[in-house]
Amino acid sequence: AQTVTQSQPEMSVQEAETVTLSCTYDTSESDYYLFWYKQPPSRQMILVIRQEAYKQQNATENRFSVNFQKAAKSFSLKISDSQLGDAAMYFCAYRSASAEYGNKLVFGAGTILRVKS
Amino acid sequence: ETGVTQSPTHLIKTRGQQVTLRCSSQSGHNTVSWYQQALGQGPQFIFQYYREEENGRGNFPPRFSGLQFPNYSSELNVNALELDDSALYLCASSLVSGGIRRETQYFGPGTRLLVL
Repeated sequence: AQTVTQSQPEMSVQEAETVTLSCTYDTSESDYYLFWYKQPPSRQMILVIRQEAYKQQNATENRFSVNFQKAAKSFSLKISDSQLGDAAMYFCAYRSASAEYGNKLVFGAGTILRVKS
Repeated sequence: ETGVTQSPTHLIKTRGQQVTLRCSSQSGHNTVSWYQQALGQGPQFIFQYYREEENGRGNFPPRFSGLQFPNYSSELNVNALELDDSALYLCASSLVSGGIRRETQYFGPGTRLLVL
């Protein structure tokens, strides 16, 4: 079974600074997808960024980028120029590319990100 | 394009009762997944519906059941409610066409269920 671990229950960052959230996962598969979702107090789970395991290039979306280390099974999220609106719970998630598992997302426990002004 | 919507937003039930939660998928999406998120934890996969049939299930007992309708909307039914069923229930929709390689799930705002 696949597992996702987020070892940082809570992180703080100063506005305009950079912060990195950590995520490791365990799988025996070679083809899969990794995601970072953001969940603000409004509860709506918002997709931040996704990475296909077959792609060596790290995904980027504006101020958000990932460091995907497939051999180490590590998938960290870097947020540059942090803004107050970035404050939320961040979840790392794994999805198998195998049709056997359908759409099942396996989530980590989450990291609360606080942004200080 | 409309996003994923869920109803109701909040619900209070007592132990032993039954509850039905509803989800309307994003326009153009044909697959719905349901997740249970206990307070302070990550979401746990309950099951997925594709073409009106259950297509994948997590470690949840049979008293958790669902439906998907021809318009791709979905219901989650929970019978014989227990105190531990208190959680945020999230619905996510996606488009599955041919292979699943490129689809991404989009979540609704959730239904907060409290069982007393």
